[in-house]
Amino acid sequence: GEDVEQSLFLSVREGDSSVINCTYTDSSSTYLYWYKQEPGAGLQLLTYIFSNMDMKQDQRLTVLLNKKDKHLSLRIADTQTGDSAIYFCAERRNNAGNMLTFGGGTRLMVKP
Amino acid sequence: GAGVSQTPSNKVTEKGKYVELRCDPISGHTALYWYRQSLGQGPEFLIYFQGTGAADDSGLPNDRFFAVRPEGSVSTLKIQRTERGDSAVYLCASSPQPGAVETQYFGPGTRLLVL
Repeated sequence: GEDVEQSLFLSVREGDSSVINCTYTDSSSTYLYWYKQEPGAGLQLLTYIFSNMDMKQDQRLTVLLNKKDKHLSLRIADTQTGDSAIYFCAERRNNAGNMLTFGGGTRLMVKP
Repeated sequence: GAGVSQTPSNKVTEKGKYVELRCDPISGHTALYWYRQSLGQGPEFLIYFQGTGAADDSGLPNDRFFAVRPEGSVSTLKIQRTERGDSAVYLCASSPQPGAVETQYFGPGTRLLVL
């Protein structure tokens, strides 16, 4: 089983905000990441956050980190049809070298 | 090249056969990773190279799986006596140095189907 958990599916209307949630289990995680995967394409790094931060904003993307609850979220403002994809959160643990542990992915569907 | 490349993009083989999957990392990247992504799941770590040596192979599922990186650039993932359960997308990633904040850049993957 995975130590990083995500809901399977999210559907929003174009122009609305999307919020994708993730929970992780290892409090020693140093960095947390969000990747996007479109059909037939590789994983694209969207953004990352250091474990000593609680928020990071990058254009339409806002990452919120609650270390106490081990909860990470990705908010996409003004969601577009091109944002339809699978979104993976991943953690890099302090005592696990450089490997990433991924969640199972959340499929975001944006309806026009 | 501009990004991580992997060949072949698709591979169909029969149960019991041997396969090799190739990864060309971004030029100059010293760290290279292999992950496996089964249908409907997130990628799972297999092995990590720093230069020519395998720094962490704890994710390899069994001794049928082996990977090399003899010159510290191109890597080959080798699977012996393939089983149907090996069917998955095999992803390669590279990063410029260990601990790089911007972490890993992924290739498009090799989709392996074992019949």
